[in-house]
Amino acid sequence: EVQLVESGGGLIKPGGSLRLSCVASGFTFSNGWMSWVRQAPGKGLEWVGRIKSKADGGTTDYAAPVKGRFTISRDDSKNTLYLQMNSLKTEDTAVYHCTTEGYTYGPLFDYWGQGALVTVSS
Amino acid sequence: DIQMTQSPSSLSASVGDRVTITCRASQSINSYLNWYQQKSGQAPKFLIFAASTLQRGVPSRFSGSGSGTNFTLTISSLQPEDFATYFCQQGYSSPPTFGPGTKVEI
Repeated sequence: EVQLVESGGGLIKPGGSLRLSCVASGFTFSNGWMSWVRQAPGKGLEWVGRIKSKADGGTTDYAAPVKGRFTISRDDSKNTLYLQMNSLKTEDTAVYHCTTEGYTYGPLFDYWGQGALVTVSS
Repeated sequence: DIQMTQSPSSLSASVGDRVTITCRASQSINSYLNWYQQKSGQAPKFLIFAASTLQRGVPSRFSGSGSGTNFTLTISSLQPEDFATYFCQQGYSSPPTFGPGTKVEI
């Protein structure tokens, strides 16, 4: 059974930094493309970014609102995905979900973690 | 970015009802359309890919159709466990974008 468990959320002041972790199990993590998707309170879903498997280059892509501030990385030896968030803004307040990313007709998000709540407020 | 809209934003229905949710893309996305279900307080669950193909384990009362810019998700006979919010997502171009959701309420 695929499991994704996020941690590291919390309350942070604007301009601050936070790192989220996502521990994966139930599949071969090193082979998987992984994404972060966020959901602001009472709002819809927004893709944050992805990291490809090392076999596919290990490169990252980001949504425009977070590009240059957020960094996605992975440690395949620990089956762990990371999201480093810098220069946080109040509009970054959201639940951040770690997801596996598959591909058929374009990218799809087939397994999701429960999410980590990040609140950016002074 | 491709904008996704959904209608209605919410609907009230009863167990056994047939429910249809519409998703529209701001430009043609062929069949690059996925659907997700999110129950209150839970993570989203992947339901349908390529507009009409059910993910393994998804009950057959769910179906999807459409191509181009107009898509529908239909629940043929609503069950108690189907009360949730449903999101569409396009995978035609980057970044992948989601619709705002349709809440199905009792």
